[in-house]
Amino acid sequence: AQSVAQPEDQVNVAEGNPLTVKCTYSVSGNPYLFWYVQYPNRGLQFLLKYITGDNLVKGSYGFEAEFNKSQTSFHLKKPSALVSDSALYFCAVRDRTGANNLFFGTGTRLTVIP
Amino acid sequence: GAGVSQSPSNKVTEKGKDVELRCDPISGHTALYWYRQSLGQGLEFLIYFQGNSAPDKSGLPSDRFSAERTGGSVSTLTIQRTQQEDSAVYLCASRRQADNYNEQFFGPGTRLTVL
Repeated sequence: AQSVAQPEDQVNVAEGNPLTVKCTYSVSGNPYLFWYVQYPNRGLQFLLKYITGDNLVKGSYGFEAEFNKSQTSFHLKKPSALVSDSALYFCAVRDRTGANNLFFGTGTRLTVIP
Repeated sequence: GAGVSQSPSNKVTEKGKDVELRCDPISGHTALYWYRQSLGQGLEFLIYFQGNSAPDKSGLPSDRFSAERTGGSVSTLTIQRTQQEDSAVYLCASRRQADNYNEQFFGPGTRLTVL
Protein backbone atom coordinates (compact mmCIF):
# COMPACT_ATOMS: atom_id res chain seq x y z
CA ALA A 1 0.00 0.00 0.00
CA GLN A 2 1.12 3.52 -0.71
CA SER A 3 1.30 6.14 1.99
CA VAL A 4 2.93 9.42 2.85
CA ALA A 5 3.83 10.75 6.27
CA GLN A 6 4.43 14.37 7.13
CA PRO A 7 5.45 14.12 10.76
CA GLU A 8 5.12 17.80 11.58
CA ASP A 9 1.74 19.51 11.52
CA GLN A 10 3.38 22.90 12.04
CA VAL A 11 6.82 24.31 11.27
CA ASN A 12 7.88 27.77 12.38
CA VAL A 13 11.01 29.43 11.05
CA ALA A 14 12.42 32.94 11.18
CA GLU A 15 12.63 34.91 7.98
CA GLY A 16 16.00 34.46 6.34
CA ASN A 17 16.68 31.14 8.02
CA PRO A 18 16.76 27.84 6.14
CA LEU A 19 13.60 25.77 6.25
CA THR A 20 12.90 22.05 6.02
CA VAL A 21 9.52 20.37 5.69
CA LYS A 22 9.77 16.62 6.19
CA CYS A 23 8.18 13.84 4.17
CA THR A 24 8.59 10.08 4.20
CA TYR A 25 6.82 7.66 1.93
CA SER A 26 5.96 4.03 1.45
CA VAL A 27 5.40 2.44 -1.96
CA SER A 28 5.96 -0.91 -3.56
CA GLY A 29 8.77 -0.15 -5.94
CA ASN A 30 10.19 3.14 -7.11
CA PRO A 31 8.15 6.26 -6.52
CA TYR A 32 7.19 9.43 -8.25
CA LEU A 33 7.25 12.14 -5.58
CA PHE A 34 5.66 15.58 -5.58
CA TRP A 35 5.42 18.66 -3.42
CA TYR A 36 2.44 21.02 -3.60
CA VAL A 37 1.76 24.28 -1.78
CA GLN A 38 -1.63 25.66 -0.80
CA TYR A 39 -2.07 29.34 -0.02
CA PRO A 40 -5.17 30.46 1.93
CA ASN A 41 -8.40 30.01 -0.02
CA ARG A 42 -6.50 28.75 -3.04
CA GLY A 43 -6.10 25.41 -4.74
CA LEU A 44 -2.90 23.41 -4.61
CA GLN A 45 0.02 24.62 -6.69
CA PHE A 46 2.72 22.30 -7.97
CA LEU A 47 6.20 23.03 -6.60
CA LEU A 48 8.46 20.23 -7.80
CA LYS A 49 8.69 16.53 -8.53
CA TYR A 50 11.13 13.66 -8.53
CA ILE A 51 10.92 11.20 -11.39
CA THR A 52 14.39 9.81 -11.88
CA GLY A 53 18.00 10.91 -12.09
CA ASP A 54 19.55 13.50 -9.81
CA ASN A 55 18.34 13.07 -6.26
CA LEU A 56 18.27 16.84 -5.70
CA VAL A 57 15.32 18.40 -7.42
CA LYS A 58 14.89 22.15 -7.83
CA GLY A 59 11.47 23.71 -8.16
CA SER A 60 9.50 26.91 -8.05
CA TYR A 61 10.14 29.87 -5.73
CA GLY A 62 13.63 28.67 -4.75
CA PHE A 63 12.45 25.41 -3.21
CA GLU A 64 14.31 22.15 -3.59
CA ALA A 65 13.89 18.61 -2.33
CA GLU A 66 16.21 15.66 -1.93
CA PHE A 67 15.15 12.12 -2.73
CA ASN A 68 16.73 9.66 -0.32
CA LYS A 69 15.88 6.10 -1.27
CA SER A 70 17.49 4.43 1.73
CA GLN A 71 15.56 6.63 4.14
CA THR A 72 12.44 6.74 1.93
CA SER A 73 12.34 10.49 2.37
CA PHE A 74 11.72 13.51 0.19
CA HIS A 75 12.22 16.54 2.43
CA LEU A 76 11.44 20.00 1.09
CA LYS A 77 14.04 22.68 1.68
CA LYS A 78 14.78 26.32 1.03
CA PRO A 79 18.02 28.09 1.98
CA SER A 80 16.40 31.35 3.07
CA ALA A 81 12.74 31.55 4.08
CA LEU A 82 10.44 34.43 3.12
CA VAL A 83 7.32 35.55 4.95
CA SER A 84 5.44 34.89 1.71
CA ASP A 85 6.40 31.21 1.96
CA SER A 86 3.91 30.82 4.81
CA ALA A 87 1.39 28.27 3.56
CA LEU A 88 0.28 24.66 3.79
CA TYR A 89 2.62 22.17 2.13
CA PHE A 90 1.66 18.73 0.91
CA CYS A 91 3.89 15.86 -0.08
CA ALA A 92 2.47 13.23 -2.45
CA VAL A 93 3.58 9.92 -3.92
CA ARG A 94 2.56 7.70 -6.79
CA ASP A 95 4.11 4.35 -7.60
CA ARG A 96 5.18 3.47 -11.12
CA THR A 97 2.93 0.51 -11.64
CA GLY A 98 0.08 2.47 -13.12
CA ALA A 99 -1.80 3.55 -10.02
CA ASN A 100 -4.19 6.29 -10.93
CA ASN A 101 -4.03 8.72 -8.07
CA LEU A 102 -1.61 10.54 -5.86
CA PHE A 103 -1.44 9.69 -2.19
CA PHE A 104 -1.12 12.86 -0.15
CA GLY A 105 0.26 13.51 3.28
CA THR A 106 -1.82 15.39 5.82
CA GLY A 107 0.06 18.60 5.19
CA THR A 108 2.48 20.79 7.13
CA ARG A 109 1.67 24.38 7.92
CA LEU A 110 4.74 26.54 7.50
CA THR A 111 4.84 29.88 9.26
CA VAL A 112 7.73 32.22 8.52
CA ILE A 113 8.12 34.77 11.28
CA PRO A 114 9.28 38.27 10.27
CA GLY B 1 -3.75 29.65 -20.55
CA ALA B 2 -6.79 29.01 -18.40
CA GLY B 3 -6.38 26.75 -15.44
CA VAL B 4 -8.80 24.33 -13.83
CA SER B 5 -12.00 26.08 -12.83
CA GLN B 6 -14.63 24.95 -10.36
CA SER B 7 -18.08 26.18 -9.54
CA PRO B 8 -19.58 27.22 -7.30
CA SER B 9 -16.76 28.49 -5.10
CA ASN B 10 -18.97 28.14 -2.05
CA LYS B 11 -22.10 26.09 -1.47
CA VAL B 12 -24.24 26.06 1.64
CA THR B 13 -26.98 23.48 1.75
CA GLU B 14 -29.31 21.83 4.20
CA LYS B 15 -28.90 18.29 5.38
CA GLY B 16 -30.69 15.89 3.08
CA LYS B 17 -30.49 18.04 -0.04
CA ASP B 18 -28.60 17.04 -3.20
CA VAL B 19 -25.71 19.14 -4.52
CA GLU B 20 -23.79 19.25 -7.79
CA LEU B 21 -20.25 20.52 -8.06
CA ARG B 22 -18.70 21.33 -11.43
CA CYS B 23 -15.16 21.10 -12.72
CA ASP B 24 -13.77 22.43 -16.00
CA PRO B 25 -10.33 20.89 -16.57
CA ILE B 26 -7.51 22.37 -18.58
CA SER B 27 -8.19 21.92 -22.27
CA GLY B 28 -6.52 18.82 -23.62
CA HIS B 29 -5.98 17.19 -20.24
CA THR B 30 -7.25 13.65 -20.46
CA ALA B 31 -7.05 12.76 -16.76
CA LEU B 32 -9.40 14.30 -14.19
CA TYR B 33 -9.50 13.75 -10.43
CA TRP B 34 -11.80 14.69 -7.58
CA TYR B 35 -10.44 15.01 -4.03
CA ARG B 36 -11.96 16.00 -0.73
CA GLN B 37 -10.09 18.11 1.79
CA SER B 38 -11.51 18.16 5.28
CA LEU B 39 -10.40 20.60 7.95
CA GLY B 40 -7.11 19.53 9.44
CA GLN B 41 -6.74 16.57 7.11
CA GLY B 42 -4.97 15.84 3.89
CA LEU B 43 -6.50 15.24 0.53
CA GLU B 44 -8.76 12.24 0.17
CA PHE B 45 -8.98 10.75 -3.31
CA LEU B 46 -12.54 10.30 -4.54
CA ILE B 47 -12.62 9.40 -8.23
CA TYR B 48 -10.46 9.42 -11.35
CA PHE B 49 -11.35 9.69 -15.04
CA GLN B 50 -8.93 8.89 -17.86
CA GLY B 51 -10.12 9.40 -21.41
CA ASN B 52 -12.86 6.97 -22.35
CA SER B 53 -11.84 4.35 -19.80
CA ALA B 54 -14.11 3.32 -16.97
CA PRO B 55 -13.57 5.67 -14.02
CA ASP B 56 -11.74 4.58 -10.89
CA LYS B 57 -14.40 5.04 -8.22
CA SER B 58 -12.46 3.36 -5.45
CA GLY B 59 -12.29 6.48 -3.29
CA LEU B 60 -15.98 7.35 -3.19
CA PRO B 61 -17.01 7.15 0.48
CA SER B 62 -20.59 5.99 -0.08
CA ASP B 63 -23.18 5.41 -2.76
CA ARG B 64 -24.48 8.92 -2.16
CA PHE B 65 -21.47 10.15 -4.12
CA SER B 66 -21.27 9.91 -7.89
CA ALA B 67 -19.49 11.69 -10.70
CA GLU B 68 -19.74 12.02 -14.44
CA ARG B 69 -17.47 13.36 -17.10
CA THR B 70 -19.23 14.35 -20.28
CA GLY B 71 -17.43 14.43 -23.58
CA GLY B 72 -14.11 13.86 -21.91
CA SER B 73 -14.09 17.40 -20.54
CA VAL B 74 -16.39 18.87 -17.90
CA SER B 75 -17.06 16.79 -14.80
CA THR B 76 -19.84 16.96 -12.24
CA LEU B 77 -19.61 15.53 -8.73
CA THR B 78 -23.02 14.84 -7.21
CA ILE B 79 -23.70 14.26 -3.54
CA GLN B 80 -27.17 13.01 -2.75
CA ARG B 81 -28.91 13.40 0.60
CA THR B 82 -26.05 15.44 2.01
CA GLN B 83 -24.89 14.89 5.57
CA GLN B 84 -23.00 17.24 7.87
CA GLU B 85 -19.89 15.11 7.58
CA ASP B 86 -19.85 15.88 3.84
CA SER B 87 -18.79 19.43 4.69
CA ALA B 88 -15.37 19.93 3.16
CA VAL B 89 -13.52 21.55 0.30
CA TYR B 90 -13.88 19.54 -2.89
CA LEU B 91 -10.93 19.88 -5.22
CA CYS B 92 -10.71 18.95 -8.86
CA ALA B 93 -7.45 18.36 -10.69
CA SER B 94 -6.49 17.53 -14.25
CA ARG B 95 -3.38 16.03 -15.76
CA ARG B 96 -1.97 15.91 -19.25
CA GLN B 97 -1.90 12.48 -20.87
CA ALA B 98 -1.77 9.25 -18.97
CA ASP B 99 1.86 9.53 -17.89
CA ASN B 100 2.02 9.00 -14.17
CA TYR B 101 4.91 11.36 -13.68
CA ASN B 102 3.02 14.39 -14.93
CA GLU B 103 1.89 16.72 -12.20
CA GLN B 104 -1.74 17.46 -11.52
CA PHE B 105 -3.13 20.96 -11.84
CA PHE B 106 -5.70 21.83 -9.21
CA GLY B 107 -8.72 24.07 -9.29
CA PRO B 108 -9.51 26.52 -6.46
CA GLY B 109 -12.03 24.14 -4.93
CA THR B 110 -15.65 24.28 -3.85
CA ARG B 111 -16.26 24.79 -0.16
CA LEU B 112 -19.35 22.79 0.79
CA THR B 113 -21.11 23.48 4.06
CA VAL B 114 -23.98 21.22 5.10
CA LEU B 115 -26.13 22.69 7.84
